[in-house]
Amino acid sequence: GAVVSQHPSWVICKSGTSVKIECRSLDFQATTMFWYRQFPKQSLMLMATSNEGSKATYEQGVEKDKFLINHASLTLSTLTVTSAHPEDSSFYICSVGGTVPYEQYFGPGTRLTVT
Amino acid sequence: QQQVKQSPQSLIVQKGGISIINCAYENTAFDYFPWYQQFPGKGPALLIAIRPDVSEKKEGRFTISFNKSAKQFSLHIMDSQPGDSATYFCAASLTNYGQNFVFGPGTRLSVLP
Repeated sequence: GAVVSQHPSWVICKSGTSVKIECRSLDFQATTMFWYRQFPKQSLMLMATSNEGSKATYEQGVEKDKFLINHASLTLSTLTVTSAHPEDSSFYICSVGGTVPYEQYFGPGTRLTVT
Repeated sequence: QQQVKQSPQSLIVQKGGISIINCAYENTAFDYFPWYQQFPGKGPALLIAIRPDVSEKKEGRFTISFNKSAKQFSLHIMDSQPGDSATYFCAASLTNYGQNFVFGPGTRLSVLP
């Protein structure tokens, strides 16, 4: 399977600031990238899907102006949480997919804590 | 319709025992059912997956049983080991969405030594 990395693995930021999370596909041409949010002891909730070079498609209830996603290349996607608030504290996980249906590889996740 | 239900919420099994986790779905259009294993602070990793045209799939100690008429599928972990202690998620996907998965709420498995 593909090797997916996320950076940083853990970040603490103050309320009102913005934080950027990177997702890199190290050995796989990721035509599609997904961003999930996972609250403690809960399941993964899809936030958005992005195709390389296109605007992301956000799931219902996810604010696109708050969670900015950029999928600039086949190996890199970024999620920027703008004007973060304590309720945005969560575990953010990216995954990558290629041209094979159902093929999806997950990154290790980024824990965001907003104080 | 898009939900995937999963039970139990948590499970404690003795080493060497069988762990069984069940999932149920409503949408008959789902046609791919993977199971993911997640350790604390890590991303999910694909464990095993099944398509609805197969009633059972086995990979090592892990087996998926699929009942299409009941819209249920389950994960069996044989000879459970302490290293299997993790959270397990079932999921489902639609052909036309390809990689968009709907995840179950998860089952926290603890295997006692």
